[in-house]
Amino acid sequence: KAGVTQTPRYLIKTRGQQVTLSCSPISGHRSVSWYQQTPGQGLQFLFEYFSETQRNKGNFPGRFSGRQFSNSRSEMNVSTLELGDSALYLCASSLFSRTGGSLHFGNGTRLTVT
Amino acid sequence: QQQVKQSPQSLIVQKGGIPIINCAYENTAFDYFPWYQQFPGKGPALLIAIRPDVSEKKEGRFTISFNKSAKQFSLHIMDSQPGDSATYFCAASWGTGGFKTIFGAGTRLFVKA
Repeated sequence: KAGVTQTPRYLIKTRGQQVTLSCSPISGHRSVSWYQQTPGQGLQFLFEYFSETQRNKGNFPGRFSGRQFSNSRSEMNVSTLELGDSALYLCASSLFSRTGGSLHFGNGTRLTVT
Repeated sequence: QQQVKQSPQSLIVQKGGIPIINCAYENTAFDYFPWYQQFPGKGPALLIAIRPDVSEKKEGRFTISFNKSAKQFSLHIMDSQPGDSATYFCAASWGTGGFKTIFGAGTRLFVKA
């Protein structure tokens, strides 16, 4: 099975711009989560989608949004970029059962805001 | 409290040594405790996981020890190798109308040859 695919791998944007990141989950996985990884804050949960519905949301401002399509692919959008948004954005898909499950991560999109 | 505290921040061991990474949690609603391994330039990958009704789990050279009463769990890497040099994250997840996983701060492990 192909793994989780994230595009693009690298992005350089200017403060104030907006950006859209894309994630294709493992085939059959309906849950997609997004995480922000920075050296200072570690892995911070952004949100989780399942069957096109956002089920969980982390403590990020409304500038961070996402969506999931009927084929489980997901996009994440960040508007009005700030310097502090520079990070590695990781997408993870999962096949959770009622009792929990593991996350399968992509290799991330490295966003640099200048 | 929805956080997982991980220590140490970094660890250096000789080849063949047994590095131990510790994690502690507060929320008794957590019902799944995975460990992830991350190499530079890659996303984290699941290494091993345990549920709170089990006190120990082994997979190859990796062992999780779980102490439910103390709300602590740890990762032991037996016969560590230079190829084990990576960042390790403990995590905890629970499901409340959708699953959420939170991560410890990570431990950078370096295994000297």
